[in-house]
Amino acid sequence: EDQVTQSPEALRLQEGESSSLNCSYTVSGLRGLFWYRQDPGKGPEFLFTLYSAGEEKEKERLKATLTKKESFLHITAPKPEDSATYLCAVYHAGGTSYGKLTFGQGTILTVHP
Amino acid sequence: EAGVTQFPSHSVIEKGQTVTLRCDPISGHDNLYWYRRVMGKEIKFLLHFVKESKQDESGMPNNRFLAERTGGTYSTLKVQPAELEDSGVYFCASSQNWGYGYTFGSGTRLTVV
Repeated sequence: EDQVTQSPEALRLQEGESSSLNCSYTVSGLRGLFWYRQDPGKGPEFLFTLYSAGEEKEKERLKATLTKKESFLHITAPKPEDSATYLCAVYHAGGTSYGKLTFGQGTILTVHP
Repeated sequence: EAGVTQFPSHSVIEKGQTVTLRCDPISGHDNLYWYRRVMGKEIKFLLHFVKESKQDESGMPNNRFLAERTGGTYSTLKVQPAELEDSGVYFCASSQNWGYGYTFGSGTRLTVV
């Protein structure tokens, strides 16, 4: 069965203190890996899709990388407004099941000023 | 562009009652997904529509859940009769092409008492 595990469950940083979030996965037929950001009371907001090992994508202070077993979301010099839950999800295609996402439990990031 | 709209945003019902959740996807998006997050757990897939057809309903918990998508536009998810374990946040997402960043709605928080 496909599994996605995110660590740590919660991360507290000081403003400007860079760090990384981890997403490890075991899935057959991986077609891509998504990173989402979720604020309280809102739905997940799309950040990145990564398709193959070695791929990297950046957006402002965020950079996502992918290997064959895990993905990292690097946060450089975070600001308080980066506080949110960050979700990792993998999608796979095969048979009648395509586009279905399997999510990790998320990492709750808190950035203190 | 209007986003994915879900309503109600909150619903509190008694065990045994019926509740219907509605999702209006982004106009022109053929793919519509329902997901659910119960407390303490990860977001889990329920089902996938392509236009008005159910492509994959492997995540539906049991036959108390019924999803429809009228004319390939909006979708409803009916829970009848509701049980305590149905409490959670129900998310809808849509996309034009699978494999890209799905757009999620803000969710419906369902509480069964």
